[in-house]
Amino acid sequence: QKEVEQDPGPLSVPEGAIVSLNCTYSNSAFQYFMWYRQYSRKGPELLMYTYSSGNKEDGRFTAQVDKSSKYISLFIRDSQPSDSATYLCAMRSVTGGGNKLTFGTGTQLKVEL
Amino acid sequence: NAGVMQNPRHLVRRRGQEARLRCSPMKGHSHVYWYRQLPEEGLKFMVYLQKENIIDESGMPKERFSAEFPKEGPSILRIQQVVRGDSAAYFCASSEGVANTEAFFGQGTRLTVV
Repeated sequence: QKEVEQDPGPLSVPEGAIVSLNCTYSNSAFQYFMWYRQYSRKGPELLMYTYSSGNKEDGRFTAQVDKSSKYISLFIRDSQPSDSATYLCAMRSVTGGGNKLTFGTGTQLKVEL
Repeated sequence: NAGVMQNPRHLVRRRGQEARLRCSPMKGHSHVYWYRQLPEEGLKFMVYLQKENIIDESGMPKERFSAEFPKEGPSILRIQQVVRGDSAAYFCASSEGVANTEAFFGQGTRLTVV
């Protein structure tokens, strides 16, 4: 079993839709949770990070963490064609390893006109 | 302020040759991480370095792979005697400190072994 599970998609939605992306994990030591966006043949770009449980909002993006269920989500409101990319969840524990991240496999999102 | 710089962006090597991948972290960052991304897979941690020290190499294959981050100059990921299975995108990330959760990634080096 992988430490982080993420549905690879592809996920296709119409412009303006609300997008929900999710990851589950098995390692209870994970405390920091990140979402990265990766365009084709580019490096990952950090969108949001949260510490422990709770919600965090930044513009059209909302990240949610439910540690009791080991489940994290990223919501994108009013999705745009420019949001078409692969979205990677990533996690790390507090102790040791510095910024060593464990990634999901990524969900490919396509927002269509 | 330039971001994380990786070069070359594309590298083609024949089986058995050596591949050297370079990473210059963001200004002020002293922590460097290397990740490998195979087709249709997520990024896999390889190694974590600080200046002149390897902190965590738990993700590095035991043979043929090595990494360094000298006092001066970029971090280097070296793959000796490359095989077809080494073909992947290799990403470098840097962060300012251990507690800082924001790691910034470079654009990657795409290694193709022919």
